[in-house]
Amino acid sequence: DAGVTQSPTHLIKTRGQQVTLRCSPKSGHDTVSWYQQALGQGPQFIFQYYEEEERQRGNFPDRFSGHQFPNYSSELNVNALLLGDSALYLCASSLEGDKSPLHFGNGTRLTVT
Amino acid sequence: AQKVTQAQTEISVVEKEDVTLDCVYETRDTTYYLFWYKQPPSGELVFLIRRNSFDEQNEISGRYSWNFQKSTSSFNFTITASQVVDSAVYFCALSLEGETSGSRLTFGEGTQLTVNP
Repeated sequence: DAGVTQSPTHLIKTRGQQVTLRCSPKSGHDTVSWYQQALGQGPQFIFQYYEEEERQRGNFPDRFSGHQFPNYSSELNVNALLLGDSALYLCASSLEGDKSPLHFGNGTRLTVT
Repeated sequence: AQKVTQAQTEISVVEKEDVTLDCVYETRDTTYYLFWYKQPPSGELVFLIRRNSFDEQNEISGRYSWNFQKSTSSFNFTITASQVVDSAVYFCALSLEGETSGSRLTFGEGTQLTVNP
């Protein structure tokens, strides 16, 4: 039973570029949440997707956007990258209404130079 | 707004010592969930425990135990007879009832635990 998978594992981008990160939820899960974890800090909630729509959003600018596909996988897009966007981006999945704890992936390490 | 504080940035112990990780939280809601997660160097957050705000009963799972005290807004985590494999960053987190599936977690800054042989 595959858990949450994220790709790529590492990514290096230049300031001003755009990046797309991908996440496949755990089998049977239909809800995907994204978190940003800066070095030495706790994860910060970016947004959550359910039924292909953004349902909740944290305190992140519009440069951060996402998408959920019919197969429940999700993408996180960040435009106009800033040095401060360098972080570990974690995807977590869950099943709506189940209230089970989130399952997290190993994350994508994004470095902006 | 919710807030979780883990005052201990780093803790270093010798194997077999007991160690307690502190967590203090703030919320105006009366119904909420508290969590502990472990983050090894691989980066994945591993779920350890969830408690709801109406259940202050302490819990023990093997070498792990948790002490939840609403009176002091604390949810501390103790590892008994620590082992080298316990070395990781530990996060305390909070979510509110009604936030579907507990997805919107507010995390503390984490405590880096190093267990030396």
